[in-house]
Amino acid sequence: GQNIDQPTEMTATEGAIVQINCTYQTSGFNGLFWYQQHAGEAPTFLSYNVLDGLEEKGRFSSFLSRSKGYSYLLLKELQMKDSASYLCAAFSGGYQKVTFGTGTKLQVIP
Amino acid sequence: DVKVTQSSRYLVKRTGEKVFLECVQDMDHENMFWYRQDPGLGLRLIYFSYDVKMKEKGDIPEGYSVSREKKERFSLILESASTNQTSMYLCASSSDNSPLHFGNGTRLTVT
Repeated sequence: GQNIDQPTEMTATEGAIVQINCTYQTSGFNGLFWYQQHAGEAPTFLSYNVLDGLEEKGRFSSFLSRSKGYSYLLLKELQMKDSASYLCAAFSGGYQKVTFGTGTKLQVIP
Repeated sequence: DVKVTQSSRYLVKRTGEKVFLECVQDMDHENMFWYRQDPGLGLRLIYFSYDVKMKEKGDIPEGYSVSREKKERFSLILESASTNQTSMYLCASSSDNSPLHFGNGTRLTVT
């Protein structure tokens, strides 16, 4: 089966750093995505980890540990526009099945 | 830029109606997906397809069917709509081992 866990809500201050954690248990795991979703909009792709380690993309970084079934998304220099839901998704199996967590709603406050 | 287009942004249907949700992608992607998104439940996979005429059940296929007659088009069918199928439906496409690209979603209300 597939199980992906992430916190439901987080609050952080503008200019600060926030880390959003994700743990997963999936059979045939191939890799992990992070998506951002603003209210009423479609998810947009942020990052992708296949191998262990850190992937950095500007203010956003994502980390994966395959042995621990654990990932995190790190957002630096938070801006008000970063208020959104952040979705962790694992893809697995030979047929590219992608399963999402329920998302973490991040509120950035002044 | 990848474009995934869903035919309707908002749809209102009556209980028992047959409903078609259409999705077209323009990037020659092999894989296409249908999800529904509900508050507190996140994105749940209904069906996906990895090739023309091929389909695989996702986590919640009951009450739905799909059709993929052409590579660029993936249709979701509700044979007999019910009120518990009121939801936001999101279509996505991808090539192998690459991120999903989503359409803008169809908000379906079944009354």
